Amino acid sequence: EIVLTQSPDFQSVTPKEKVTITCRASQSIGSSLHWYQQKPDQSPKLLIKYASQSFSGVPSRFSGSGSGTDFTLTINSLEAEDAATYYCHQSSTLPWGFGQGTKVEIK
Amino acid sequence: EEQLVESGGGLVQPGESLRLSCAASGLSVSTNYMSWVRQAPGKGLEWVSVIYGGDSTYYADSVKGRFTISRHNSKNTFYLQMNSLRVEDTAVYYCARSEGGFRDWGQGTLVTVSS
Repeated sequence: EIVLTQSPDFQSVTPKEKVTITCRASQSIGSSLHWYQQKPDQSPKLLIKYASQSFSGVPSRFSGSGSGTDFTLTINSLEAEDAATYYCHQSSTLPWGFGQGTKVEIK
Repeated sequence: EEQLVESGGGLVQPGESLRLSCAASGLSVSTNYMSWVRQAPGKGLEWVSVIYGGDSTYYADSVKGRFTISRHNSKNTFYLQMNSLRVEDTAVYYCARSEGGFRDWGQGTLVTVSS
């Protein structure tokens, strides 16, 4: 089973600041890594698929990079509406799995 | 527009059973990878099960042998039969369609297992 480890677990950020969240896989998963945003009492929303492909309708300030075992989600110029928990997910090998989540708070 | 709608959640006692349904519109459950993902209160996301292709299925170790995923193509609906429920199965259960990432999600249905 592939384990995904995100860092940090929590980040408090001021608006317009840049946010970087990392996701490390316990073994190589190629580019089969996806990122989600979840706000309280809402279903998760896909932001980035296959490490770096922006999903339809996602603001351009969200971007992804990486391959193999190390991946990054970047939020450029954070906005107040970006306060949420962010998860990575691997679809390379069953069983699929998620990282533990990174909560982003707005200062 | 693609839409997924879950139903069937509720309060049950440990050891009891429950069946969740996920009705799809705007997409076909028979030609997509359809999954269940759950989230315990205050916790992160946990992938539970997937059905794909010619009724191929896979389960997380935490539910293997107790949960069964299935689908009814003509109703465009898929299901999660949950048997021998445990307190630790308490969660919001989401159905989701994947194309690599989970691109479509339902609104979630709450399952509470408590005596």
